[in-house]
Amino acid sequence: DIQLTQSPSFLSASVGDRVTITCRASQGISSFLAWFQQKPGKAPKLLIYAASTLQTGVPSRFSGSGSGTEFTLAISSLQPEDFATYYCQQLNSYPITFGQGTRLEIK
Amino acid sequence: EVQLVESGGGLVQPGGSLRLSCAASGFTFSSHWMHWVRQAPGKGLVWVSRIHSNGNSTTYADSVKGRFTISRDNAKNTLYLQMNSLRAEDTAVYYCARGGRFDLWGQGTLVTVSS
Repeated sequence: DIQLTQSPSFLSASVGDRVTITCRASQGISSFLAWFQQKPGKAPKLLIYAASTLQTGVPSRFSGSGSGTEFTLAISSLQPEDFATYYCQQLNSYPITFGQGTRLEIK
Repeated sequence: EVQLVESGGGLVQPGGSLRLSCAASGFTFSSHWMHWVRQAPGKGLVWVSRIHSNGNSTTYADSVKGRFTISRDNAKNTLYLQMNSLRAEDTAVYYCARGGRFDLWGQGTLVTVSS
């Protein structure tokens, strides 16, 4: 199985900050990586697919980059509604796996 | 409205069975692969199973293989997850999700396995 390791696991930031979250795969997955946002009690929401393609309707302050084994989710100018947990997901091979999550909290 | 709505969760004893449903509306259900993903309380997301758009191909996580069965009825726009021999570690919110991109999720249904 492909393991995904996110860093950091916890991030404290302020409104207006720029933050980045890294996702490392245990083996190469080309660009078969997605990013999700999840708020408490809610279903995950797709933000980025194919490593860098913004899902329709997602604000442009979100961006994704990377390929192979290292990927990054960046959020420029944090907004209050961005404080949530973020997950990466690989779709290169089954079983599909997710990172352990990064909890982004208000400083 | 484009949506997925899960149902069928509840409290079940270890060793018991439960069938989850996921009703799709607002899009052409029969054109999409579908998945089940679960999340134990306070934990991360875990992929459970997938089914081809025509229902002829399925894949399972090792943790549920032989116990869970995914199926679909395209005439009823509904996805199912039959869960047998349930264990405490199957306790989770179960989500259905659409297609190769997981671009649409239901609200989830809670399954609690406990005596």
